[in-house]
Amino acid sequence: GAGVSQTPSNKVTEKGKYVELRCDPISGHTALYWYRQSLGQGPEFLIYFQGTGAADDSGLPNDRFFAVRPEGSVSTLKIQRTERGDSAVYLCASSSGTSRYNEQFFGPGTRLTVL
Amino acid sequence: TQLLEQSPQFLSIQEGENLTVYCNSSSVFSSLQWYRQEPGEGPVLLVTVVTGGEVKKLKRLTFQFGDARKDSSLHITAAQPGDTGLYLCAGMDSSYKLIFGSGTRLLVRP
Repeated sequence: GAGVSQTPSNKVTEKGKYVELRCDPISGHTALYWYRQSLGQGPEFLIYFQGTGAADDSGLPNDRFFAVRPEGSVSTLKIQRTERGDSAVYLCASSSGTSRYNEQFFGPGTRLTVL
Repeated sequence: TQLLEQSPQFLSIQEGENLTVYCNSSSVFSSLQWYRQEPGEGPVLLVTVVTGGEVKKLKRLTFQFGDARKDSSLHITAAQPGDTGLYLCAGMDSSYKLIFGSGTRLLVRP
């Protein structure tokens, strides 16, 4: 029973570069969430998918951020023209559905550092 | 914008002491969850409270949801060094996303 996995675990890039962060949810989970956690803070919601469609992308900070989930399983968070302020841990979570009872299972995160 | 204020931000106590962490908001949430996060890992769910006034116990941890479903508390009895970690509260909004507090970093000294 594998949990949520995220790759890479660490990513160092230069300002202005493009990065992709991958999330493999728990098999069969229909909902997938992306959060961003800055040092000393709680996670901040970015976007969530129900199946293949983005059900709520209200947390994406600007149009440099984009996420896809083409087959309703693996998701990729894409960041264009990275800025130093994008440095954070990007967390992915999945759940078996969407209700106030559903537990979200988190991956270990990808630590992004923009130099 | 829904916000969750968590206090204290940092707590350092001696083994065997009791402590309470608070989570407050001006917004109503459909449920409230408490997580614990270790360095280099994602948050792990401890409990979900749904009903106003609900109290749940998990061994030495007691969780309470406020009557109006706007606030919550976590009480730990006889803290142990193994309780050390980052405790996060998170409210679930009407669109099923979690709004997290800023966390309470707990250190229990042997």
